[in-house]
Amino acid sequence: EAAVTQSPRNKVAVTGGKVTLSCNQTNNHNNMYWYRQDTGHGLRLIHYSYGAGSTEKGDIPDGYKASRPSQENFSLILELATPSQTSVYFCASGGTGENTGQLYFGEGSKLTVL
Amino acid sequence: QQKVQQSPESLIVPEGGMASLNCTSSDRNVDYFWWYRQHSGKSPKMLMSIFSNGEKEEGRFTVHLNKASLHTSLHIRDSQPSDSALYLCAARGGGFASALTFGSGTKVIVLP
Repeated sequence: EAAVTQSPRNKVAVTGGKVTLSCNQTNNHNNMYWYRQDTGHGLRLIHYSYGAGSTEKGDIPDGYKASRPSQENFSLILELATPSQTSVYFCASGGTGENTGQLYFGEGSKLTVL
Repeated sequence: QQKVQQSPESLIVPEGGMASLNCTSSDRNVDYFWWYRQHSGKSPKMLMSIFSNGEKEEGRFTVHLNKASLHTSLHIRDSQPSDSALYLCAARGGGFASALTFGSGTKVIVLP
């Protein structure tokens, strides 16, 4: 099965600090995504990418940056973390065409901002 | 911004019973729907997809789609305790280049 690995799995950060969440996929998928999950909100799209060097804003990009330096790696960066960014973050990779919707998710990164 | 609405928010089903979940999109550009299942503390995994009007069955799971009303439903027959999970509906609008939008999910609890 397709493999998506996230790190760190758990992170405690201070308000105003910088946080980088990393994601690596071995599926050779062009598309990668960052979602956050909060109770009552399902999965909300933050940023996504169609390939190395590209990043696109999702539905809730404010306060987040993304970086796609290679096909395999996609990072989510919080330059100035705030308590409202406390959440579980999921990275996913997916194919193209009709396979766009078949996403493979990592195990999630739980971020707590104090 | 595309909205995906799911109902009910939660559902309690006796073991062996039928669970019925609903999902509607407000975006007329939506072309495809997916259903994902997420067990507690785990990541979401794709359960079924449906692209054409009608019905699709895979084992105990059946998905219906009505493209005119942008409504899809998931039915789980002979529910098992292992079916207890959060079920997420996802839709894609605007062609292959668009990312998925997820609903807030339906939490299903199957009681033995």
